[in-house]
Amino acid sequence: DGGITQSPKYLFRKEGQNVTLSCEQNLNHDAMYWYRQDPGQGLRLIYYSQIVNDFQKGDIAEGYSVSREKKESFPLTVTSAQKNPTAFYLCASSPILKTYEQYFGPGTRLTVT
Amino acid sequence: GEDVEQSLFLSVREGDSSVINCTYTDSSSTYLYWYKQEPGAGLQLLTYIFSNMDMKQDQRLTVLLNKKDKHLSLRIADTQTGDSAIYFCAESISNAGNMLTFGGGTRLMVKP
Repeated sequence: DGGITQSPKYLFRKEGQNVTLSCEQNLNHDAMYWYRQDPGQGLRLIYYSQIVNDFQKGDIAEGYSVSREKKESFPLTVTSAQKNPTAFYLCASSPILKTYEQYFGPGTRLTVT
Repeated sequence: GEDVEQSLFLSVREGDSSVINCTYTDSSSTYLYWYKQEPGAGLQLLTYIFSNMDMKQDQRLTVLLNKKDKHLSLRIADTQTGDSAIYFCAESISNAGNMLTFGGGTRLMVKP
């Protein structure tokens, strides 16, 4: 069963703590992406990676970090520097020659209090 | 600059057609997409259209693209209660690495 998994579905943290969100795909896709979704708004790109050991900042990278040590995995760390971290986080992947065809995971809802 | 806009809300009766509209500003868009998001879930790619096409049909879904007016629409025929969701329009631009820019989403409510 091919797809993208994100865990956990819900995550709660205290302010000032770093937290890492998991994203794994078994679609053999080269490119992976992280988006943030706020209520009533569209998705905004945080980071993306087109190849292992390489990644680029998206529109709202401040306060976030990523790594891409394996093709299948693209974890996102929300650091304490992110001013407003409570949001719904979505991971996606695509074939490298079809970056327009992105497939999304089920999302992680992060609440920071 | 890039900007994709959609109306926030649409309500229809079961069995009617739904038309969800989207406008975009970047004339160098390569592809335009429609995604569906059910509550608490990720986005599901419904369909996409290449910018040199003006229509694409896929079962109950019809996408119309008016490049001159930069207007995209998604028509759902015979709308069912299971179609209730948020629908996102998105564009990708080849000279921006094909990254997606999303609209704010239209919440479709289907009444029985």
